[in-house]
Amino acid sequence: DTGVSQDPRHKITKRGQNVTFRCDPISEHNRLYWYRQTLGQGPEFLTYFQNEAQLEKSRLLSDRFSAERPKGSFSTLEIQRTEQGDSAMYLCASSLENGQARFQHFGDGTRLSIL
Amino acid sequence: AQKVTQAQTEISVVEKEDVTLDCVYETRDTTYYLFWYKQPPSGELVFLIRRNSFDEQNEISGRYSWNFQKSTSSFNFTITASQVVDSAVYFCALILPWDSGGSNYKLTFGKGTLLTVNP
Repeated sequence: DTGVSQDPRHKITKRGQNVTFRCDPISEHNRLYWYRQTLGQGPEFLTYFQNEAQLEKSRLLSDRFSAERPKGSFSTLEIQRTEQGDSAMYLCASSLENGQARFQHFGDGTRLSIL
Repeated sequence: AQKVTQAQTEISVVEKEDVTLDCVYETRDTTYYLFWYKQPPSGELVFLIRRNSFDEQNEISGRYSWNFQKSTSSFNFTITASQVVDSAVYFCALILPWDSGGSNYKLTFGKGTLLTVNP
């Protein structure tokens, strides 16, 4: 059973650069979530997809952030013009839509460091 | 809106001591799920337990036990005979179980409790 896969595990970049992260959910899961975790805090919800439709975006997701799930399978999260405050762990999770929908399976995360 | 509070920021114990991690939650809904996750230094979130609001039966799993008290909105987690490998950040989280077009699809996490178990 393949779990949620995130790539890369670590990303170091200079302020002002663009970065893109990828998340591959568990294959039969049609719901996909992105969370952000800053140092010393719990994960915070960013956005949510059901199949290819992005159904909700948190106010934390500024206009420099964009997430896509073009074919309802993998998802990408892009941050443009990165800032110091974007340094965080970005976690992806996926779930089914039925009674187990709230049991979200998490990936190992992508740790972003902005120099 | 939902809220999860983990008042203990850091706890340090000596190996073999018992330790309890506190979690208090707020929600206006009567049906919800509560979770505990473990996050070791490597960063991944490891699922430990899920409880629904209708099941207040406490649970024991090996060295882990959970005390769910709806009357006080608490879902505390106890590790018996702690080990160095238990050192991690522990998160309590809450989710609502149905879709109503609102925020019923996202986990709300507490800020976590850093547990350090010293040899």
